[in-house]
Amino acid sequence: NAGVTQTPKFQVLKTGQSMTLQCAQDMNHNSMYWYRQDPGMGLRLIYYSASEGTTDKGEVPNGYNVSRLNKREFSLRLESAAPSQTSVYFCASSELGAGAYEQYFGPGTRLTVT
Amino acid sequence: AQSVTQPDIHITVSEGASLELRCNYSYGATPYLFWYVQSPGQGLQLLLKYFSGDTLVQGIKGFEAEFKRSQSSFNLRKPSVHWSDAAEYFCAVGARNDMRFGAGTRLTVKP
Repeated sequence: NAGVTQTPKFQVLKTGQSMTLQCAQDMNHNSMYWYRQDPGMGLRLIYYSASEGTTDKGEVPNGYNVSRLNKREFSLRLESAAPSQTSVYFCASSELGAGAYEQYFGPGTRLTVT
Repeated sequence: AQSVTQPDIHITVSEGASLELRCNYSYGATPYLFWYVQSPGQGLQLLLKYFSGDTLVQGIKGFEAEFKRSQSSFNLRKPSVHWSDAAEYFCAVGARNDMRFGAGTRLTVKP
């Protein structure tokens, strides 16, 4: 059981480049989430998918898009990267809604935009 | 929307000493409350959670937390800290699909 996996672990982009962060879980969870973590700000929710086929905006969605490819996979796309998107990105999953259920986190992707 | 405040950015304690990390939340109803721990370079791991019932909840690694509705607090405690407890700790409040995290408290353990 790998839990939640994320690729890549590290990435450096130039301003304006695009990239997709991949996330997969093998726990048969219904809900999946993307967070960003910045110093002194904790984790902030970017997008979530309550169930396969649905996605919704979180607290900080601007500049990002997501795709729930199937029940296992949830990707985050940066269409035109900006330095303000330099951050550590975490994917998480939970059995059902995050409000009431424990979330399981991936190891994170450290992204630097120059 | 709910919010979480962790007043202490950084705490240093000696190994073997007791620990209390503070967490205050704002939410209109009874919240779901969580404490997570993050070791350097790692994702977050759940320590404990409160949904309802007994206001003192036990977690992993010898941690406990007490929910105090009147103070809107959910403080984390450990009677005797070990060097391996050095990490960052996050309090979180959840409702439906929205989870709000505090800014975190970094714990340093002195030998």
